[in-house]
Amino acid sequence: KQEVTQIPAALSVPEGENLVLNCSFTDSAIYNLQWFRQDPGKGLTSLLLIQSSQREQTSGRLNASLDKSSGRSTLYIAASQPGDSATYLCAPKGDTGKLIFGQGTTLQVKP
Amino acid sequence: NAGVTQTPKFQVLKTGQSMTLQCAQDMNHEYMSWYRQDPGMGLRLIHYSVGAGITDQGEVPNGYNVSRSTTEDFPLRLLSAAPSQTSVYFCASRAATEAFFGQGTRLTVV
Repeated sequence: KQEVTQIPAALSVPEGENLVLNCSFTDSAIYNLQWFRQDPGKGLTSLLLIQSSQREQTSGRLNASLDKSSGRSTLYIAASQPGDSATYLCAPKGDTGKLIFGQGTTLQVKP
Repeated sequence: NAGVTQTPKFQVLKTGQSMTLQCAQDMNHEYMSWYRQDPGMGLRLIHYSVGAGITDQGEVPNGYNVSRSTTEDFPLRLLSAAPSQTSVYFCASRAATEAFFGQGTRLTVV
């Protein structure tokens, strides 16, 4: 059974810092991994999707990497801004097609 | 582009009442799913469907029923609501890769 762990659970940083969010998963037989952002009281917004054959994916100030063999993915946020404050969730997709979620990292970026 | 639409956004039920949470998508996605999100528990899969006429159970299916008569719609039914079903419910759909989520239904059972 796939289990997903995200570290840290919460993070508070001053504006402008570069930061790394970590996601680990127990079953490396995945097809892809998706990173989401969730604002309080809102739904999930897709940020990045990495296919199992890819090592990384970039969108603006966000960069996600994937090391399938070790069961790890990281989300790198460059030059953080207060608008980046949200909960970040990772979800690997296995051969059943199901997305299994970690509990997320809640990020606060202080002005 | 509507994406994934969930209704209602908020609902209060009394214990024992039944209701249906609606989910519709306009992206012609085959795969749809329902999750519940609870503090400290993350998102947990309730039921999912790989296409019209096909449904299967997820991690926490008890107390919920689903059906998939069309590609667009995937309703979630609570037959007899219990306080333990107080949660935020999310519907998702996807094609081969990226998943898209609705804005959620916040359900309170009193």
